[in-house]
Amino acid sequence: AQTVTQSQPEMSVQEAETVTLSCTYDTSESDYYLFWYKQPPSRQMILVIRQEAYKQQNATENRFSVNFQKAAKSFSLKISDSQLGDAAMYFCAYRRGYGGATNKLIFGTGTLLAVQP
Amino acid sequence: DTGVSQNPRHKITKRGQNVTFRCDPISEHNRLYWYRQTLGQGPEFLTYFQNEAQLEKSRLLSDRFSAERPKGSFSTLEIQRTEQGDSAMYLCASSLEGESEQYFGPGTRLTVT
Repeated sequence: AQTVTQSQPEMSVQEAETVTLSCTYDTSESDYYLFWYKQPPSRQMILVIRQEAYKQQNATENRFSVNFQKAAKSFSLKISDSQLGDAAMYFCAYRRGYGGATNKLIFGTGTLLAVQP
Repeated sequence: DTGVSQNPRHKITKRGQNVTFRCDPISEHNRLYWYRQTLGQGPEFLTYFQNEAQLEKSRLLSDRFSAERPKGSFSTLEIQRTEQGDSAMYLCASSLEGESEQYFGPGTRLTVT
């Protein structure tokens, strides 16, 4: 079975600084997707960034980028120029690729990010 | 389109009562998912629909839980004979077939007293 592990329950960063959130996963599949979702307090979960396993190039979305290490099964999220609005719970998630029997997301336990002014 | 909506947003019920939650997906999305999130944990998959067909159910979905998606539009999740362990946030998500991104609703927070 696939698993997702986030070993940092809480992180803190100063406004305008850079922070990296860690995620490791375990799978025997070769085709899959990895995601980082953001869940602000009392607000709904939104997708931050997505990485297809077959792509070697790391995904970037404005201030958010990932370091995808397929062999090490590592998928970290880097937030540059942190803003107060980045404060939230961040979840790493895994999904099997197309052709699999399931479309469900498997989530880690989350990292609570605090941004200090 | 206003995104995925869920009702009610909060539900407090007494142990042993039945509750029903509703999810309205993004209108053109044919896939719909239910997840459960307990405090301090990530969401856990419960069940998945493609159109009106329920294609996958988690072992977490005991026989007290039932989900439907009549006509492939909105979905309902019913919990019968609620237990205190059912207290959680119930999240609904939807997606388009062929796309990997799932769009989440705001959730229904259930408290069983």
